[in-house]
Formats: sequence, structure tokens, C-alpha cells
Amino acid sequence: DTAVSQTPKYLVTQMGNDKSIKCEQNLGHDTMYWYKQDSKKFLKIMFSYNNKELIINETVPNRFSPKSPDKAHLNLHINSLELGDSAVYFCASSQDVGANVLTFGAGSRLTVL
Amino acid sequence: DAKTTQPPSMDCAEGRAANLPCNHSTISGNEYVYWYRQIHSQGPQYIIHGLKNNETNEMASLIITEDRKSSTLILPHATLRDTAVYYCIVLRNTGNQFYFGTGTSLTVIP
Repeated sequence: DTAVSQTPKYLVTQMGNDKSIKCEQNLGHDTMYWYKQDSKKFLKIMFSYNNKELIINETVPNRFSPKSPDKAHLNLHINSLELGDSAVYFCASSQDVGANVLTFGAGSRLTVL
Repeated sequence: DAKTTQPPSMDCAEGRAANLPCNHSTISGNEYVYWYRQIHSQGPQYIIHGLKNNETNEMASLIITEDRKSSTLILPHATLRDTAVYYCIVLRNTGNQFYFGTGTSLTVIP
């Protein structure tokens, strides 16, 4: 009964490949997010969706394309992977767009070789 | 949103209270203080938040100074499982552009 679940937990791939990370929340929340945590441990927001609509896009390369088929799911697709994309990606959700209490998933560690 | 300053690391003996300080001298009147923590290899976890009154929940207490320029998160009886990085974040209660800084790495020592 995990609240925010991400798959896969680990992903190792070659430069230039395309990969996806999936996220699902069973909290009934309206808003979902993707965060990136780099090797220096800084957590930075990438995207935010409210009820399937994009509301935040933080200067992320257009190789990253989030997709929200419904408000319980927010997937992240990455094209033409680069070494610098190696990081831990966290999905999160909140009750609504104004809420600042976020529930995070366990993270997906992406390693690009 | 206001910037916060936290010590990079702290130790605490198991069973004792852990007091984690945070300075936010540029906080404005409509900004809240939020605390999250990140246990190794896990996602961040919400702990508590407050505006100007002290707050307490099952996890911790939050003490905010009268001028609101600093606050302290108190874990009353630290356990080994409280070893984590603790983030103090100041935000308006309308937006949700969280920026997690470097936080304080708390080590609870047996």
C-alpha cells in the first residue's frame, strides 16, 4: 500500500538511449512532481502537474518529457540520455497545487554509462 | 522565497533531544517554515511546518522565534533511525516550488 511508487528503482543504460521512469500515487492527490537529486545531493524540481496539466517546467532540456495519463500517474521519459543525466529522480505528490506537504517516492537511481 | 542557513552537520546521543537550528532572517510575513528529512537512500519525508506559533506533532516540535528570523526543530528522544539530512525550507503557502538546500546531516550516536 505504498503511497507514491516509482519504477524502476535502479536503471543502468548507455549514452544515447531512451528510458522511462513511471510513478503512481494512491493518495487521491491532484498534484504530482518530478525532482532530480544530483551527486551533490541538491534536490531540484523539474516538473509539476496538476490534474494532468503541466504547471511547472523548470528549465529542463526538452529531452525530458513528462506525461500524465491521469492524475494518479506521472511518467518521465528521457530521450538521448547523457552522462549528466545520472542522478536519483524522485516523484512526489501533494493534495493540490497550493499544498506544500509533499509525499515522495523512494527514488529511481539512473546511471548513464 | 526566503533563504535559509543550517549547520552542515550535527551529532546527537541516542535518547537525547536533537535540536536542529535554522536561520531565515529574510522571511516575510506570509512565509511558512517547513521541515523535511531524507534518510539515506529514501525520498524526503515531511516532518512539520509552522507560521509563527510553536507546533508539535508525533514526530517533532517546531519552535519559531518571536521575530521569526530563526527556528529550531526538536526531536525529543532521538533514535538511530533519526539519522538523516534535515532540510529547513521557507515558503509561501500558495506556491510549491520547493528548493532543498544542503540541509543538516544529523548523526544519532548509540
